[in-house]
Amino acid sequence: DAKTTQPPSMDCAEGRAANLPCNHSTISGNEYVYWYRQIHSQGPQYIIHGLKNNETNEMASLIITEDRKSSTLILPHATLRDTAVYYCIVRVAKGFGNEKLTFGTGTRLTIIP
Amino acid sequence: SAVISQKPSRDICQRGTSLTIQCQVDSQVTMMFWYRQQPGQSLTLIATANQGSEATYESGFVIDKFPISRPNLTFSTLTVSNMSPEDSSIYLCSVEGKNTDTQYFGPGTRLTVL
Repeated sequence: DAKTTQPPSMDCAEGRAANLPCNHSTISGNEYVYWYRQIHSQGPQYIIHGLKNNETNEMASLIITEDRKSSTLILPHATLRDTAVYYCIVRVAKGFGNEKLTFGTGTRLTIIP
Repeated sequence: SAVISQKPSRDICQRGTSLTIQCQVDSQVTMMFWYRQQPGQSLTLIATANQGSEATYESGFVIDKFPISRPNLTFSTLTVSNMSPEDSSIYLCSVEGKNTDTQYFGPGTRLTVL
């Protein structure tokens, strides 16, 4: 079973910041938070991941709460091409066991023109 | 990130037949995985393809139905055997390198069984 909870769907206006929440209240100390997205049945695309510090790359920012029980993925300036299903996944750090990805149902993000 | 290709990209097959899906990576990777995505559903891990040994299957998946090969560090195959319409899905491979902690996915193979 997935260890994360996400809203099933969200809308965001084009050009605005999209903030996608994820709850992972049972996360362990050696587990990372990963975000992937899937655009119209293509292969999932890696976005970002983090352990406890906030992370930023060219695609997005990841904000993890201090207690690590929840996180938010931020797409700073959403475009129509960001319409996709976004998956928040908790995975054990490499070398600590089975590093498989367990996908939940994700959040279907729709960018509105 | 690794460049991953899958063949075929899509196929339509008759029930009772088998299909072998190939996954090729442009660099050596330590871990390769096979996932299934049924229509309207999320991804489910089928197995971890181990180089030089038998694949490790997840609960609900068996080797007789989904035999997997991994002859080297850049290539793997998944066979869907004795297909039924319930096997109609997108099949995806993913890879992870030795010095990274990120999995990257191939484009997927869309299978329809009639």
